[in-house]
Amino acid sequence: DADVTQTPRNRITKTGKRIMLECSQTKGHDRMYWYRQDPGLGLRLIYYSFDVKDINKGEISDGYSVSRQAQAKFSLSLESAIPNQTALYFCATSGTGGVYNEQFFGPGTRLTVL
Amino acid sequence: GEDVEQSLFLSVREGDSSVINCTYTDSSSTYLYWYKQEPGAGLQLLTYIFSNMDMKQDQRLTVLLNKKDKHLSLRIADTQTGDSAIYFCAESISNTDKLIFGTGTRLQVFP
Repeated sequence: DADVTQTPRNRITKTGKRIMLECSQTKGHDRMYWYRQDPGLGLRLIYYSFDVKDINKGEISDGYSVSRQAQAKFSLSLESAIPNQTALYFCATSGTGGVYNEQFFGPGTRLTVL
Repeated sequence: GEDVEQSLFLSVREGDSSVINCTYTDSSSTYLYWYKQEPGAGLQLLTYIFSNMDMKQDQRLTVLLNKKDKHLSLRIADTQTGDSAIYFCAESISNTDKLIFGTGTRLQVFP
């Protein structure tokens, strides 16, 4: 079984709709992250959380919100989706031990906003 | 602010060496990483180098770090079709647990 899972894997929605992307992990990590990937722009950090009570904005948080429901779950919401939020979204986790700050990625959610 | 840059594309013949380059701006980065993204998948850590090292070799992979020029490179020897992917460099910002990723280099290997 995958250590970091994301649902849904693909989603097509319309402008103005509310969308939630979910992430679950079985790695026991405290730290979780949401990124979006756009061609030619690499990965950009949207939000991150270092434990259940900690939420931090990343470089492109406008238009997004997050919820850390439990250590293992971190969801990303688009309150009112717009076309320029069409992208590939990745959840990642990291923990102590092993390679310093190595992040483990989910398979991604491809979101299209029409 | 932090900025990590890479060229977007690289095309090599199978069996040749590939060299993917990266420049970064934060001279206080403690670790620098190379991640690989295969089609339809998330990123996976390929290798990393600590900032006080100049070179690290791991089987077919060689990482070179030039701190003076803030330049990182990844050399893949005997490149295979299975190496076709997007490669991201990333820097670990000191005193945080965040990574700053580059734009990614798409490596295409042709027979």
